[in-house]
Amino acid sequence: QLQLQESGPGLVKPSETLSLTCTVSGGSISSSSYYWGWIRQPPGKGLEWIGSIYYSGSTYYNPSLKSRVTISVDTSKNQFSLKLSSVTAADTAVYYCALIAAAGHFDYWGQGTLVTVSS
Amino acid sequence: EIVMTQSPATLSVSPGERATLSCRASQSVSSNLAWYQQKPGQAPRLLIYGASTRATGIPARFSGSGSGTEFTLTISSLQSEDFAVYYCQQYNNWPPGGTFGQGTKVEIK
Repeated sequence: QLQLQESGPGLVKPSETLSLTCTVSGGSISSSSYYWGWIRQPPGKGLEWIGSIYYSGSTYYNPSLKSRVTISVDTSKNQFSLKLSSVTAADTAVYYCALIAAAGHFDYWGQGTLVTVSS
Repeated sequence: EIVMTQSPATLSVSPGERATLSCRASQSVSSNLAWYQQKPGQAPRLLIYGASTRATGIPARFSGSGSGTEFTLTISSLQSEDFAVYYCQQYNNWPPGGTFGQGTKVEIK
């Protein structure tokens, strides 16, 4: 059974870079049938798509975050990663990684990890 | 950017009753529309994709309909485990991702 697990620091200082990794188990990140993505959810608020990546390395970002986001993939480790630079308190959220079907809907989600931006 | 608007924000329903949730797109998304269920402290779960196709393991009491700009999620007979927040998401415009509605909370009446 496919599982996704987010990992990374739970606390990041303002102006620094948030870094998270998603480890995929029970399936190959190199599958040509899927994309992989990041979504976030500020406390008590709705969902926001951050960006997506294909195993080949092609990336797609939310235009509102594009200038600060980098998503990369490491097929040897079956992982993909998120970097969000110059964070502020507004970036405090639960960050989810997900498998995206070729059509574009989010098929499977990780459990999520809370990242707080605070000094 | 395509904006997704869900209504109502909160829906109060008694167990066993029918719940009807709406999602409207600011421009046509064809049938590229998904519904997700989120319970407190949990990740969202895919319910419906392609506007009307139930995801694996989703009970038949959940059904989706619509195309273009107007979509509906219907829960035919609410069970206790169905009280949650429901989000719609459009994925019509490549790249893979898309925008979410703000959610509808289904609460016990």
